[in-house]
Amino acid sequence: QQQVKQSPQSLIVQKGGIPIINCAYENTAFDYFPWYQQFPGKGPALLIAIRPDVSEKKEGRFTISFNKSAKQFSLHIMDSQPGDSATYFCAASLGGKLIFGQGTELSVKP
Amino acid sequence: SQTIHQWPATLVQPVGSPLSLECTVEGTSNPNLYWYRQAAGRGLQLLFYSVGIGQISSEVPQNLSASRPQDRQFILSSKKLLLSDSGFYLCAWGLWGSPKQETQYFGPGTRLLVL
Repeated sequence: QQQVKQSPQSLIVQKGGIPIINCAYENTAFDYFPWYQQFPGKGPALLIAIRPDVSEKKEGRFTISFNKSAKQFSLHIMDSQPGDSATYFCAASLGGKLIFGQGTELSVKP
Repeated sequence: SQTIHQWPATLVQPVGSPLSLECTVEGTSNPNLYWYRQAAGRGLQLLFYSVGIGQISSEVPQNLSASRPQDRQFILSSKKLLLSDSGFYLCAWGLWGSPKQETQYFGPGTRLLVL
């Protein structure tokens, strides 16, 4: 019930493509869903986040879609660039603690 | 603005030696503090979190311990390192309960290799 399942594990797209990363959860008590971006050897950086009362949130080229009834949420990266190549983590918050997905390694080819 | 520091950046230690990793936060008061371990560049595992000085909650039984001697200082320790303690250790801070609740901000990490 405390798990967040993330897919795919890895993803390769061409520059300009729209990679989509999906996450699913079981615990309906989760009340905040952030996405983090991590480059090799660095700490994760907050990318964008959403609350369950919102179905979509956009910040620049990054969009979160949230489906409360299905208990799923996803990250879309519009017009992806080679600089977006990184590992992406979804997470869900409960009581001040974050439960992370296993991560998706994204590679954007020039 | 808030800044989080971790040191050392990298560490190579022999099995059985002690460990002390330090994390400090600047620019905020009474943050929640967290220690995570990340193996093989994936999957963040929460090890400890603290909501105040001297208050430590352990998430996973293991060879490690944590302490919070000051409001913005969090220390991860071990008396005797195991090979399995190798990994990337990340400290994070957050302000759960405030208007910017739940979001956690991560430090640069410490790469630990136990040989």
